[in-house]
Amino acid sequence: IAGITQAPTSQILAAGRRMTLRCTQDMRHNAMYWYRQDLGLGLRLIHYSNTAGTTGKGEVPDGYSVSRANTDDFPLTLASAVPSQTSVYFCASSEALGQGRETQYFGPGTRLLVL
Amino acid sequence: GQNIDQPTEMTATEGAIVQINCTYQTSGFNGLFWYQQHAGEAPTFLSYNVLDGLEEKGRFSSFLSRSKGYSYLLLKELQMKDSASYLCAVRDSDYKLSFGAGTTVTVRA
Repeated sequence: IAGITQAPTSQILAAGRRMTLRCTQDMRHNAMYWYRQDLGLGLRLIHYSNTAGTTGKGEVPDGYSVSRANTDDFPLTLASAVPSQTSVYFCASSEALGQGRETQYFGPGTRLLVL
Repeated sequence: GQNIDQPTEMTATEGAIVQINCTYQTSGFNGLFWYQQHAGEAPTFLSYNVLDGLEEKGRFSSFLSRSKGYSYLLLKELQMKDSASYLCAVRDSDYKLSFGAGTTVTVRA
């Protein structure tokens, strides 16, 4: 069982370019999340999805978009990358959102450098 | 919104005990999580508290006081492999997690 996979592992991107970070889980979890992690700021929620076909905005959604066409995949797109989007991006999933003590499981992360 | 505070760094000796405090101010509360994150790796789940009191799981224990907006993670019998960042996270009324900046624990021989 792979759990959650993310691709690419790392990327250097020119400012202004479009980039999609991929996230796939094989646990049949309903809820999925995208976070960014920056030194001194901790993990911040970008977007989330309660179930396939629905998405919601987190704490720092500007400049990012997501889609949830099916249960397993939750891609994150940067339409026009800017240097402030340099960060480590983590995808996570949980069985559900709001039904008890469900735990979020994290993917290995994507390290993105925007120049 | 959420305001979650935890110390930036702590250092302890192998075999000792370390207590990592976390204070929070939230617009809603539906549980508090602790995660461990080794350098360059993903966070992994350690513990969950939703009611007041102590939850013990092997060498790790977590305590919650909802009235005080306070939690701590207790690491006993420290091992070198416990050197990591420890993240306090609060689940709000919308069931989303807000994370503190993390506490980096360094275990010395």
